[in-house]
Amino acid sequence: QQQVKQSPQSLIVQKGGISIINCAYENTAFDYFPWYQQFPGKGPALLIAIRPDVSEKKEGRFTISFNKSAKQFSLHIMDSQPGDSATYFCAARNAGGTSYGKLTFGQGTILTVHP
Amino acid sequence: NAGVTQTPKFRVLKTGQSMTLLCAQDMNHEYMYWYRQDPGMGLRLIHYSVGEGTTAKGEVPDGYNVSRLKKQNFLLGLESAAPSQTSVYFCASSWRGSNQPQHFGDGTRLSIL
Repeated sequence: QQQVKQSPQSLIVQKGGISIINCAYENTAFDYFPWYQQFPGKGPALLIAIRPDVSEKKEGRFTISFNKSAKQFSLHIMDSQPGDSATYFCAARNAGGTSYGKLTFGQGTILTVHP
Repeated sequence: NAGVTQTPKFRVLKTGQSMTLLCAQDMNHEYMYWYRQDPGMGLRLIHYSVGEGTTAKGEVPDGYNVSRLKKQNFLLGLESAAPSQTSVYFCASSWRGSNQPQHFGDGTRLSIL
């Protein structure tokens, strides 16, 4: 039961280009949407996150766009660099009850930025 | 400042063997989690704990057991390993409360032959 669907599975971008990764969710009880970045041989690390009462959040070259009515959110990486090459995971957190704090992850996107 | 430490980093088991994966965090976090990561599946929650002495099932708990006897440690056990449990296992921890990020260890790569 995959509650968060992520696309594309892989993405190749030229240096300086824009990388866009999309996620869609079904559970309206989700209240927090983080993105994690994972380098080979390492654990995921929080990159940027957004709450559903905000439509956009920007941190440096990374921007999350959030569409609550469509239940979709996306990660945009501006001026993509070879050092951004990694696997990116979107996630969503349950708001309350016994599931509080649990994250549901998307399937992951392998981003390759060519120099 | 170690953060979240997982041991061992690699392990090969034969079907039917048992083992325990150890996760230790030095951030005094209340919440701890065990995930497995498989290609094309993302990270799936196995078990989690919201405090010392408490554990709960996640999305894929079958075949695994956990214990949290001390706040800083969270153990994941495989009683009778199966090839389907070949995966990379990640432990994470976080503070209690909203918007608290989960901090991950670097994983244990486990192969079951």
